[in-house]
Amino acid sequence: EPEVTQTPSHQVTQMGQEVILRCVPISNHLYFYWYRQILGQKVEFLVSFYNNEISEKSEIFDDQFSVERPDGSNFTLKIRSTKLEDSAMYFCASSGLKETQYFGPGTRLLVL
Amino acid sequence: QKEVEQNSGPLSVPEGAIASLNCTYSDRGSQSFFWYRQYSGKSPELIMSIYSNGDKEDGRFTAQLNKASQYVSLLIRDSQPSDSATYLCAAPARSSNTGKLIFGQGTTLQVKP
Repeated sequence: EPEVTQTPSHQVTQMGQEVILRCVPISNHLYFYWYRQILGQKVEFLVSFYNNEISEKSEIFDDQFSVERPDGSNFTLKIRSTKLEDSAMYFCASSGLKETQYFGPGTRLLVL
Repeated sequence: QKEVEQNSGPLSVPEGAIASLNCTYSDRGSQSFFWYRQYSGKSPELIMSIYSNGDKEDGRFTAQLNKASQYVSLLIRDSQPSDSATYLCAAPARSSNTGKLIFGQGTTLQVKP
């Protein structure tokens, strides 16, 4: 069964460093998303991506964040200068239909 | 007002019992709802989607939607210890047409052997 994959599973970084989180969505899906979940809190939307451009972003998704789909398979989230409060689980999701979303296993990001 | 609300629990049921998980939503115009299961430290796993009033069954799971009362529930029959997890209710944000999901806080279910 097709699934969303994410790498790395864990990332530890120093405050101020750049990180790139990678995702391979399900191959025939068209809509891509990033969510994050701070420990003990809700899953919260960061950004949606369709037709090679951002379709919506949340207030959290400020200038430090960017997304790319550099080729036909990968979908990346870059955080340019990490802050302590960026520590969270980051989930990539994809969908063929706009709403039925399948989540990847997540990347646990720890900013020290 | 929160868009999607759940009781955080924990909800504790004995093995073999029916677990009932509830979710309310604020936007009367919401059309679709999703239940995800999340084991500790893992990602949300889609269990059920429901779009129409009434019940939808899939194995041991039944989703129920009541649009008039603005609630959606998930019943788990013959609960097993492996069902112990946090169950997330989600709905697309009405303010958006990109499919972004709004999640509830999640209800933690404990199934005791």
